[in-house]
Amino acid sequence: EDQVTQSPEALRLQEGESSSLNCSYTVSGLRGLFWYRQDPGKGPEFLFTLYSAGEEKEKERLKATLTKKESFLHITAPKPEDSATYLCAVPFTSKIIFGSGTRLSIRP
Amino acid sequence: SQTIHQWPATLVQPVGSPLSLECTVEGTSNPNLYWYRQAAGRGLQLLFYSVGIGQISSEVPQNLSASRPQDRQFILSSKKLLLSDSSFYLCAWSHGTSGNYNEQFFGPGTRLTVL
Repeated sequence: EDQVTQSPEALRLQEGESSSLNCSYTVSGLRGLFWYRQDPGKGPEFLFTLYSAGEEKEKERLKATLTKKESFLHITAPKPEDSATYLCAVPFTSKIIFGSGTRLSIRP
Repeated sequence: SQTIHQWPATLVQPVGSPLSLECTVEGTSNPNLYWYRQAAGRGLQLLFYSVGIGQISSEVPQNLSASRPQDRQFILSSKKLLLSDSSFYLCAWSHGTSGNYNEQFFGPGTRLTVL
């Protein structure tokens, strides 16, 4: 069964403390992997698409990487405004399979 | 640039009343359209998706239905709401062409409370 699993479920960091979020998948014939950010009460905001193993994308303090079995979202020197739920997703025909997300909280 | 709208932003309805949520997309043609539901603190549940006018695929059997009367309009409906329909409803679109470019872009959502 095609699955997308994110870990940890929740992560609390001190401002400036770098860390990584994990997204593992078991989808055959991967056609890309997406990362989203979702703030409370809002729709998910698209961040990155990764297409092949070894690819990396960066946006401000975020860097997404992809291997054949998982993706990491690295956050460097985070700020309180980076607090949000981060979702990864894998396309499957006309649909997307979403992970359950990692709830990131950055303390000032 | 493309924009997706949803309304209303919030809605409080009594049990047994009908529902109509609307989603429209601007700035693109022939998009794929999606309705999701998200319970508090939970992941996204795909309800319906559409690859064209009048073409609706249902993912979860329930008392909800969807329609696509126009290319860039997607409507979520119910004849009689249940308490369990209380949730956050999200509409999304993606490019309708095949290939790798099928990221989905989400609207602001509708918070539905059924009392």
